[in-house]
Amino acid sequence: AQKITQTQPGMFVQEREAVTLDCTYDTSDPSYGLFWYKQPSSGEMIFLIYQGSYDQQNATEGRYSLNFQKARKSANLVISASQLGDSAMYFCAMREGSYTDKLIFGTGTRLQVFP
Amino acid sequence: DAGVTQSPTHLIKTRGQQVTLRCSPKSGHDTVSWYQQALGQGPQFIFQYYEEEERQRGNFPDRFSGHQFPNYSSELNVNALLLGDSALYLCASSIPTTSYEQYFGPGTRLTVT
Repeated sequence: AQKITQTQPGMFVQEREAVTLDCTYDTSDPSYGLFWYKQPSSGEMIFLIYQGSYDQQNATEGRYSLNFQKARKSANLVISASQLGDSAMYFCAMREGSYTDKLIFGTGTRLQVFP
Repeated sequence: DAGVTQSPTHLIKTRGQQVTLRCSPKSGHDTVSWYQQALGQGPQFIFQYYEEEERQRGNFPDRFSGHQFPNYSSELNVNALLLGDSALYLCASSIPTTSYEQYFGPGTRLTVT
């Protein structure tokens, strides 16, 4: 079974609008972390936001927020006020357990922001 | 403060050859992880080095090996290259268990012909 599932291969959004990128995960470990990374065409993975499994509140980082629904095992990324520079691949990833740095990535969503 | 650096940027090799990729971690980081990202896919974990030893390994054959030096830099070696090894190879550095953030380098794009 897929550990991380991103069902949207591509998304379009108009500049200044909000967009939600979907991510569901599968794990039986009670301790885990969820990540979102942005990958521009240059290739570098840029860390956006993190949510721990025991965190009570949804994570926010500037224009990025993570809609964490534990019972549904979903961790959607919300980007508010999209900018042209947000056009990139977005990856959801999970770290299972407390003593590992290994990340398991989804297949990604390509976001295109148009004027 | 220099981030994660990788060399070379691009590399073209022939099937059956061997290749070495290099990574220097972010200042203050002592753990290095390597990932393989095939075209159109998410990165897949190869292995992680800490204190000059392989700490964790993903589902990759023994043709993939690595090394970490006392200055925390790392090398990824791939022997007997296959066409399927063509990918972007990403290095990430971190401080184990004290921070959830992993910082990625720009990657090395390997093409096997």
